[in-house]
Amino acid sequence: DADVTQTPRNRITKTGKRIMLECSQTKGHDRMYWYRQDPGLGLRLIYYSFDVKDINKGEISDGYSVSRQAQAKFSLSLESAIPNQTALYFCATSDFGGGADTQYFGPGTRLTVL
Amino acid sequence: GIQVEQSPPDLILQEGANSTLRCNFSDSVNNLQWFHQNPWGQLINLFYIPSGTKQNGRLSATTVATERYSLLYISSSQTTDSGVYFCAVRNFGNEKLTFGTGTRLTIIP
Repeated sequence: DADVTQTPRNRITKTGKRIMLECSQTKGHDRMYWYRQDPGLGLRLIYYSFDVKDINKGEISDGYSVSRQAQAKFSLSLESAIPNQTALYFCATSDFGGGADTQYFGPGTRLTVL
Repeated sequence: GIQVEQSPPDLILQEGANSTLRCNFSDSVNNLQWFHQNPWGQLINLFYIPSGTKQNGRLSATTVATERYSLLYISSSQTTDSGVYFCAVRNFGNEKLTFGTGTRLTIIP
């Protein structure tokens, strides 16, 4: 089984709808991240969490919210989806042990907002 | 914030060729990672290399931290090497990785 899973893998929704993307991990890592990727761009950080009680905004958090339900689960919500939130969304985890903080990515969720 | 530039933006090579991808960054870093995004979108971590040289099979990477650049070498390219290669860095005092815009590598059989 994959270490980092995301659901759904694909989603088409309409403007104004509330959407939740879910991420689960079995790597036992404390740190979890949500990124979005737009065509021709690198990944941009939306939110990150270093443990269950720690939530931090990334560089593009407007229009998004997150919930860290457990060490293994980190969900991303779009409260009222808009077309420019159409993108590929990735969840990632990392373990700071040893200082490496290597990031491991889920398979991605392709979201289309009509 | 820190700037990350990758070159070339696109690279098309024949199978069996060697390639060098470059990542320049604008500040001192304590974390640098290379990733490969395959044509299906999956992101795979290749190297954690804030300094020095590492090798993994046909891939190797070198980071010269004092000169603020990193190189990813791919030898004897295979079609499965196709995809986009991203460099990501974190500078001191920052908690997040900043990604470059990637190099798209296409290996032709």
